[in-house]
Amino acid sequence: DQQVKQNSPSLSVQEGRISILNCDYTNSMFDYFLWYKKYPAEGPTFLISISSIKDKNEDGRFTVFLNKSAKHLSLHIVPSQPGDSAVYFCAASVGNYGGSQGNLIFGKGTKLSVKP
Amino acid sequence: NAGVTQTPKFRILKIGQSMTLQCTQDMNHNYMYWYRQDPGMGLKLIYYSVGAGITDKGEVPNGYNVSRSTTEDFPLRLELAAPSQTSVYFCASSYQQRDTQYFGPGTRLTVL
Repeated sequence: DQQVKQNSPSLSVQEGRISILNCDYTNSMFDYFLWYKKYPAEGPTFLISISSIKDKNEDGRFTVFLNKSAKHLSLHIVPSQPGDSAVYFCAASVGNYGGSQGNLIFGKGTKLSVKP
Repeated sequence: NAGVTQTPKFRILKIGQSMTLQCTQDMNHNYMYWYRQDPGMGLKLIYYSVGAGITDKGEVPNGYNVSRSTTEDFPLRLELAAPSQTSVYFCASSYQQRDTQYFGPGTRLTVL
């Protein structure tokens, strides 16, 4: 039973346009959400995060939006660049209680292709 | 500062063989993690460690063992390799559990 779902395996956008990557979750106890970016043959790298006390977090071209009532978050990349082409993973964790609950649960990823 | 390093990068094993995947971090992080990523899937946590001498199971621990004798090293042991263990394995570390995790480049393992 997937607790973090990325229902779009792939997304293709034109350079300069907006990329919107979506993520849904089922566990209402999740209170911390992250996006990781992964290039082929490399490990994932942290991109941006958001706590459940916020509904938006921005870092340069990247903005994450959180809709707790819908259990949905999205990553917006504006403007998209060819170097953004990668697999993007959404991840979530429960509380700050330590133990296994605090570990990250990852979605399956969305492959973004930004075309020049 | 090398971050998280993993060896080997690639390995082919025969069914029933054993091997150890090495992971070292030089950031003095307390937490270390082993994940596996199967094709088209997200990362699944195998084992994690909160500090030297302390390890715990993740979501998919069967068929694996770990140890953490030092802060820097967190090896993953496969005792009897099976085709189901064909995957890409990532090691990661973080200072605290909710801090950013830094990942190694991965080990691609094939069991035939």
